[in-house]
Amino acid sequence: AQTVTQSQPEMSVQEAETVTLSCTYDTSESDYYLFWYKQPPSRQMILVIRQEAYKQQNATENRFSVNFQKAAKSFSLKISDSQLGDAAMYFCAYKVDRGSTLGRLYFGRGTQLTVWP
Amino acid sequence: ETGVTQTPRHLVMGMTNKKSLKCEQHLGHNAMYWYKQSAKKPLELMFVYNFKEQTENNSVPSRFSPECPNSSHLFLHLHTLQPEDSALYLCASSQEGGRAREAFFGQGTRLTVV
Repeated sequence: AQTVTQSQPEMSVQEAETVTLSCTYDTSESDYYLFWYKQPPSRQMILVIRQEAYKQQNATENRFSVNFQKAAKSFSLKISDSQLGDAAMYFCAYKVDRGSTLGRLYFGRGTQLTVWP
Repeated sequence: ETGVTQTPRHLVMGMTNKKSLKCEQHLGHNAMYWYKQSAKKPLELMFVYNFKEQTENNSVPSRFSPECPNSSHLFLHLHTLQPEDSALYLCASSQEGGRAREAFFGQGTRLTVV
């Protein structure tokens, strides 16, 4: 079974500082996708960054980057130069395109990030 | 991102009512999903429609009935719900079989069953 674990229910960071959110997952697949989604108070789930498992290079999107460790099944998100607008619930998600799980996302429980001015 | 639109944003219904949630995607995607988000629980996949065919039903109670008339629209028909069905219901879409694999979400419908 696919499971995604986010061990930090809450995190906080000072504005302009860096914070890292942790995520681990369990799978027997070799080809899959990993995502970080952000859910602000508006409730809309917004994609922050994605990583294809077959790529060794860590994905980056401006201030957001990941540390993907395939062997350890770890996928952490680093937010640099944190901004007040980064405050939200962050979800780690996993997806494999195969068989009956086609298109399905498996989510962690989320990490609530607070950004202090 | 306004590619996926859900209506209504808020819904309060009694246990004997019948209501429907609507989702529309303007992204040309070929798959649509209903997820349930309850407090202190991971998002739960309820239904998947791929190429308009329902491909997954995660043992969802029959009081939830999905309908996908075309690849752009998805409905969730509700009847005789229970208070524990109160949650945020999120619709999503994605393009399966393409290079992009991410799902795009709507803003959700906050459902309260009284």
